[in-house]
Amino acid sequence: AQSVTQLDSHVSVSEGTPVLLRCNYSSSYSPSLFWYVQHPNKGLQLLLKYTSAATLVKGINGFEAEFKKSETSFHLTKPSAHMSDAAEYFCVVSETGGFKTIFGAGTRLFVKA
Amino acid sequence: EADIYQTPRYLVIGTGKKITLECSQTMGHDKMYWYQQDPGMELHLIHYSYGVNSTEKGDLSSESTVSRIRTEHFPLTLESARPSHTSQYLCASSGGRYDEQFFGPGTRLTVL
Repeated sequence: AQSVTQLDSHVSVSEGTPVLLRCNYSSSYSPSLFWYVQHPNKGLQLLLKYTSAATLVKGINGFEAEFKKSETSFHLTKPSAHMSDAAEYFCVVSETGGFKTIFGAGTRLFVKA
Repeated sequence: EADIYQTPRYLVIGTGKKITLECSQTMGHDKMYWYQQDPGMELHLIHYSYGVNSTEKGDLSSESTVSRIRTEHFPLTLESARPSHTSQYLCASSGGRYDEQFFGPGTRLTVL
């Protein structure tokens, strides 16, 4: 059975400092993993995806994530936070080629000036 | 440009009214989804479709119904709206090898 756990419901950083949003997953199959971002009153936008081609995945807006099979983690990072990064972030696991997709509960990122 | 559209973006309606939330995509995707999301909360899958004439209920029980008569169109209907239906409704579609989902902007529904 698949599951995904976002370890922090809220993360607060200062502008210009690094961002770390943590995600652990479990899957019986080779998973596809995604990070989405949702700004207030908007739909979800795909940030990046892991599909077994490379363990370090680069996404839009300077975000990247590293797939660590031994730790069953897929943490999202960014070297320097910007005010516009303040949003809700969702980690998602999906069976590769299958249908079942599981969304994490979300992590709200606050960025202080 | 390939995209996914939802209308209306905001809807305020009285109890007992019938409403239809529209979702259309020009992505060429076979799979489509409806999610319900309360403010600041996680997404709950309420309906999905593999293709034309295919509809399934999701993980969260919902009084809404859906139809899929055309590949690009996946409307959601509430026969009699109630205050408990107040929420944001997100439509998505997916396709391709890794099935990543692409989302519309959402409809924020308020039932008075």
